Parts: sequence; structure tokens; C-alpha cells
Amino acid sequence: AQSVTQLDSQVPVFEEAPVELRCNYSSSVSVYLFWYVQYPNQGLQLLLKYLSGSTLVKGINGFEAEFNKSQTSFHLRKPSVHISDTAEYFCAVDEGGTSYGKLTFGQGTILTVHP
Amino acid sequence: EAQVTQNPRYLITVTGKKLTVTCSQNMNHEYMSWYRQDPGLGLRQIYYSMNVEVTDKGDVPEGYKVSRKEKRNFPLILESPSPNQTSLYFCASSFRQGGGYTFGSGTRLTVV
Repeated sequence: AQSVTQLDSQVPVFEEAPVELRCNYSSSVSVYLFWYVQYPNQGLQLLLKYLSGSTLVKGINGFEAEFNKSQTSFHLRKPSVHISDTAEYFCAVDEGGTSYGKLTFGQGTILTVHP
Repeated sequence: EAQVTQNPRYLITVTGKKLTVTCSQNMNHEYMSWYRQDPGLGLRQIYYSMNVEVTDKGDVPEGYKVSRKEKRNFPLILESPSPNQTSLYFCASSFRQGGGYTFGSGTRLTVV
């Protein structure tokens, strides 16, 4: 069974500093990987996704993530954060194939950007 | 506007009183899914559907029912709600494998 672990429950950072939110997954097959963002009192918005091909994926709002198959990781990065990036971030995995639709989320990482 | 619409946004009900949370999408998506979000637990999948009349259990299906009679609608039914089903619920839909899900705005349910 697939599972997702977000290694940090909270990440505080100062404005304009770089940030990395860590995500590890376990699965016996190739997977689709996603990062979602949830702003307060809102639904989830897709930041980026990895399906296949290049291991470096660029998303919206200046975020990017790198897929590392050997380490089964999909860490999210941004070189310079803004106050408006304060939100909760979720990593998710879907095994695809006949199991597509069974999307498993990590527990979430709360990113707080301080001025 | 392409969207997933859930109703109601907020609901307070009493233990044992049957309720339905509706979900509708206007994007002709094949895949639809329900999640509950609880502090510290992230989002957990309740049920998902791959197409009309095709549904399967997620990680926490106990106490819930779903149906997919039309492609656009995927209601979540709680036949006898209990306080441990107090949670924030999200519906989501996807066009194809790997496309990523579009989420609704959520339904905050309180069972007293």
C-alpha cells in the first residue's frame, strides 16, 4: 500500500529566504506525485505534479519540486518566499493504472513566512 | 467557470439524523472522490469513483455511502451520523490519470 510522509509539520522562515518542504513516499510501483497548497479557509489548489520524464518539475507561484526515485522523495522548493506563501502544503501520491483515483496525502506542512 | 461545487458549506446536525452532502462538477471529469480533513491527520480518502456506477472504498469508508448515477454528481451520504464524523469534507474531480484533482471549497460538518 502506498503511503506519504511529510517530514516537517511546521516550517517557519523569513521573507525572501529559500525554503524546502520534504516529502517521502512508499510504493511498489511507479507513481504520480503531487503538491497541493491550502490557504486558510479554502480548498486545495494544485501547485505542481510529476507524471514522468524530467525529474525537476516547475509549478505555479515560483515553486518547483524534484523527483528522486532512488530515495523515493519529492521535495518542494522555492528560492525566495513571500508573506503570501503562508499556507499549509500537502504532498500526495497516486499509483495510477487500475488504482488511479486512490490518492494518498501526507499529513501536511504548515509554512509560516515571517517579515 | 470550471469548478467543483459542494453543498452545504456548513452543517450542524444531531447524532443519527441522515444527511447528504452534494458534489457536482461541470468539467465532464471521469474521476471523483471524497476526503475528510482532520487536524494532524491530513486528508484521508473516504470513497472514490472511476466513472458512472463504478465506486471503490478509500481509507476511511466506515459510516459513509456514495453513489455515482450521473457523471457530474457524486453525493456523500451519512445514514446515521456520529460525533466522530465531525470534520471538514472535500469533494474533488479529475479528468484523466495524472491530471491532478480539482477540489471543492469544502463542507464543515458538526455532529452533536
